[in-house]
Amino acid sequence: GQNIDQPTEMTATEGAIVQINCTYQTSGFNGLFWYQQHAGEAPTFLSYNVLDGLEEKGRFSSFLSRSKGYSYLLLKELQMKDSASYLCAVTFGGGYNKLIFGAGTRLAVHP
Amino acid sequence: EAGVTQFPSHSVIEKGQTVTLRCDPISGHDNLYWYRRVMGKEIKFLLHFVKESKQDESGMPNNRFLAERTGGTYSTLKVQPAELEDSGVYFCASSQAGTVLEQYFGPGTRLTVT
Repeated sequence: GQNIDQPTEMTATEGAIVQINCTYQTSGFNGLFWYQQHAGEAPTFLSYNVLDGLEEKGRFSSFLSRSKGYSYLLLKELQMKDSASYLCAVTFGGGYNKLIFGAGTRLAVHP
Repeated sequence: EAGVTQFPSHSVIEKGQTVTLRCDPISGHDNLYWYRRVMGKEIKFLLHFVKESKQDESGMPNNRFLAERTGGTYSTLKVQPAELEDSGVYFCASSQAGTVLEQYFGPGTRLTVT
């Protein structure tokens, strides 16, 4: 199988920075997505990395190292509304873009 | 622009009954995906349509599940007969044609089989 590993839970303080890590098997790797999901809602797209390096989008950044099978999502200036699950998802092989998800990281932001 | 919609939002049925879930993708999106999240587990891929054709159905659990996308617009996922382990949240997602692109997810249908 293609294991996608990420921490189950994290907590952080409002205004702080948090980094959520994700590791995956490198064989056949195509690209990596990060999604945010609030309880009872649809996952919403945050970022997509296919090349090594950092992609910045406002308060959120995502990093990828293809050779290490490693990515992280960096959230800056945390707000209470950032409390949600963050899902790492990978596409593999020459297939048709099905997403292989990790179990998600539940982030709780406290005042 | 309307997002991906799913109907119903919740469904409670008894074991052995039939349930049909519907997904309306974003207009113009050729790719349509079904995923499922069983409680406590990760979201798992079920199948992928490109227009009306099944491109990949490797994630379908068994032959009690039947997905269709007649006309290449909306899709249905039928579970017949439902079993207890089918309970979970069924998500639909869509994306434009072409290379790997972001998938837009619907709010999901929460299915409870009792």
